[in-house]
Amino acid sequence: GAVVSQHPSRVICKSGTSVKIECRSLDFQATTMFWYRQFPKKSLMLMATSNEGSKATYEQGVEKDKFLINHASLTLSTLTVTSAHPEDSSFYICSALPGGAYSNQPQHFGDGTRLSIL
Amino acid sequence: SQKIEQNSEALNIQEGKTATLTCNYTNYSPAYLQWYRQDPGRGPVFLLLIRENEKEKRKERLKVTFDTTLKQSLFHITASQPADSATYLCALAINDYKLSFGAGTTVTVRA
Repeated sequence: GAVVSQHPSRVICKSGTSVKIECRSLDFQATTMFWYRQFPKKSLMLMATSNEGSKATYEQGVEKDKFLINHASLTLSTLTVTSAHPEDSSFYICSALPGGAYSNQPQHFGDGTRLSIL
Repeated sequence: SQKIEQNSEALNIQEGKTATLTCNYTNYSPAYLQWYRQDPGRGPVFLLLIRENEKEKRKERLKVTFDTTLKQSLFHITASQPADSATYLCALAINDYKLSFGAGTTVTVRA
């Protein structure tokens, strides 16, 4: 149980393109999802907390107009990288929290999206 | 400043031996700590969660300890197998539900 699907797994596109990444909880509802970014041999850096039905909460230093998050249903959150540039190239990973925030449950992660901007 | 340090970037061990990984933290008071496994190009997979009032947790060949006085968690893989080769991440719960991750230790088990 607790499967999280992330799509697409890999994106290669030109500079200036906007890219949308989807994160779905397949067998549970998730009022809270998270978006992370990971550089090679580095730890996961939390970008934002996605809350169903309300605005996302962004971590310090993350541009909310650059990384648009929508959590319109209990099983889907999307991250849109707007006008992507080469410095946005990275491995983006989402996670979902069964039971919502404060449930003291482990997060369940998708398999990530490798974004490469040319 | 807050910091999470995993003892080494890489650990090479012989099959059958016990791998011990260390996670030290400063300026945190986590309610619980988690360990995840990450394979190359994949997302982390949850392994174990240990709460601040628990000293030790076990799951099959895995054991985790949590010492809030030393601000340290140890993660043990006993009777290691080549299939255990992966990067292991420790993560501290901050603000009740957010996680802050260490950089990970890459374990390679030689047959």
